[in-house]
This record gives sequence, C-alpha cells and structure tokens, in this order.
Amino acid sequence: GQQLNQSPQSMFIQEGEDVSMNCTSSSIFNTWLWYKQDPGEGPVLLIALYKAGELTSNGRLTAQFGITRKDSFLNISASIPSDVGIYFCAGGLYNNNDMRFGAGTRLTVKP
Amino acid sequence: EAGVAQSPRYKIIEKRQSVAFWCNPISGHATLYWYQQILGQGPKLLIQFQNNGVVDDSQLPKDRFSAERLKGVDSTLKIQPAKLEDSAVYLCASSLSLGTGETQYFGPGTRLLVL
Repeated sequence: GQQLNQSPQSMFIQEGEDVSMNCTSSSIFNTWLWYKQDPGEGPVLLIALYKAGELTSNGRLTAQFGITRKDSFLNISASIPSDVGIYFCAGGLYNNNDMRFGAGTRLTVKP
Repeated sequence: EAGVAQSPRYKIIEKRQSVAFWCNPISGHATLYWYQQILGQGPKLLIQFQNNGVVDDSQLPKDRFSAERLKGVDSTLKIQPAKLEDSAVYLCASSLSLGTGETQYFGPGTRLLVL
C-alpha cells in the first residue's frame, strides 16, 4: 500500500522563526492535503493541493505539490504560539476520498 | 453550522468486552468516514459510507469491527470483542460527497483505552 514518510517527527522553535516540514511517498498521489490537529480535537484542513507543481498559500502557511506527485512541503512563516500542534500530510486519489496520512510533525513554539 | 458530533468522548473497557461509538455528521453530508488513530500515528481509514451504502471497508478488521449507517445520517462503529491493540482515538469525518475536492470535516474523536 501507499506509505507516506513525514519529516521531521518533531520541531522546537522560537516564536517568530519560519518552519518547514515535508512529506514523501513511494507512490503517486493526485491530491496532497495538510491538516493540523490540536490536543483532544480532530484534524482541521489547512491547505489542499490538486495539481502537480501547485503552490498555495493560506495566511502564513504555504504548501507545494511536488512535480513528481510523490512529495509535498508545508512552510509556516513567522511562527506564533498558537501554531503549536501536530501537522499531518495526507495523499489522496481521484477515484474515491480515501486519504493516506503521514505520521505527523509535532511543532512546539517557545514564546 | 454544527460540526461532526461524536460520543462518548472517552471510554475505558477491559479486553474481550464490547464497545460502540456514535457519530452524527454535518447536516446534508452524504459521505461519512471512520478513522482509527493510534498514539503517535496519523489517522487510518477504516470504512467510508456514501449515504447508507459502504464504499470502502477494505481496512476494517471485520472479524471484530462492524459499522452501520442505516438511515444515511448517523453511524455507529462497534468493536466486539475488544483487544489491547484497539486502544486508539476513533475519528468520524463527513464530507458533502465523494471525490477529490470534497473537504472532510473531522469530529473530536472517541478515545478508547482497552485494559
């Protein structure tokens, strides 16, 4: 089955710093999505990407769909304390809505 | 607009007992999903429904897990009998319909601990 490798596993940064995390796969996906999960809550969609090469921003967040369709990255600029949480990448296929999730990147922001 | 509702939020049972989780999707959402999220991992899809029909249950351990969505709205997920390795968060999500581009909205999850 499709495996997603997400890195880094965890990050500790100072408030104001930029953050970058990425996801790679051995298989091709037609969509890449990035979610954030806060403690005790379900994941919330941050950015969805539908085309290879696509670069999309949502406020301080920017994500790109890799040209090979096997990878994606998420950047967070000027981090703030409320960015703390676990960020998941997910790859999806066109024929259904079956998404495969990475293991997550746990982000800690020190004030 | 109300989000996806799940209950209970927490459940502790002993192995070999049975347990059931309930999900109420966002009103009007035809597609409903159940995910299992083990600590330190991303969610794994167990089953997805389109209205009251099963679209994909290939990753559901059918010897002990069952799910239904009889009237195409609420859904229940059951585990019988539970094993220690079933300890996880069970997330329910819903979307307007199937297919790429349909955002899945997740509920807060039910945290299950099997002792």
